[in-house]
Amino acid sequence: DGGITQSPKYLFRKEGQNVTLSCEQNLNHDAMYWYRQDPGQGLRLIYYSQIVNDFQKGDIAEGYSVSREKKESFPLTVTSAQKNPTAFYLCASSINPGHGYTFGSGTRLTVV
Amino acid sequence: AQSVAQPEDQVNVAEGNPLTVKCTYSVSGNPYLFWYVQYPNRGLQFLLKYITGDNLVKGSYGFEAEFNKSQTSFHLKKPSALVSDSALYFCAVRPDTGGFKTIFGAGTRLFVKA
Repeated sequence: DGGITQSPKYLFRKEGQNVTLSCEQNLNHDAMYWYRQDPGQGLRLIYYSQIVNDFQKGDIAEGYSVSREKKESFPLTVTSAQKNPTAFYLCASSINPGHGYTFGSGTRLTVV
Repeated sequence: AQSVAQPEDQVNVAEGNPLTVKCTYSVSGNPYLFWYVQYPNRGLQFLLKYITGDNLVKGSYGFEAEFNKSQTSFHLKKPSALVSDSALYFCAVRPDTGGFKTIFGAGTRLFVKA
């Protein structure tokens, strides 16, 4: 079955550490996205990519970085510059604007 | 600024009663409109969409949504609620001005009591 796989499901980060969240899709979708979800705030866009080797900052990109070397993969790195990284992170993909998004099951990141 | 509003943080209904989850938007042009549902510790699942055509859109799990262009609203409805419908619901809008970005509302928690 086609879909989006996010790993790990739970991730713990120590102060000053960089961590990378994985997102892989086998849907052959061109566009991929990373969202951050905090209670009561809905989803906020971190980065998005419409094609391989190209990506754009979203609304809250500071402290995060991404790469898009392959169509299937869009990893997100949470750097030590992100001062409040504890959140639920969602990866999504879409084939075109009219089809909506397919979401992964999320990664819950906690700072310890 | 473009925005999506879900005015109710929580909606409570009794099982078997009709439910409505409200959504209004402030986006120019003719945007694409979506509803998603999220169960605890899971990603969002697509419920339905409106692009053009009939103002009443039918989607998954018996849900439907009514588009009202003059009121810029896209309310989610279901004739008879189930306890299993209890979840977090998000309205989303994608402007038709090009690009792939989507704006999400803050979400409405639906609680269906048996």
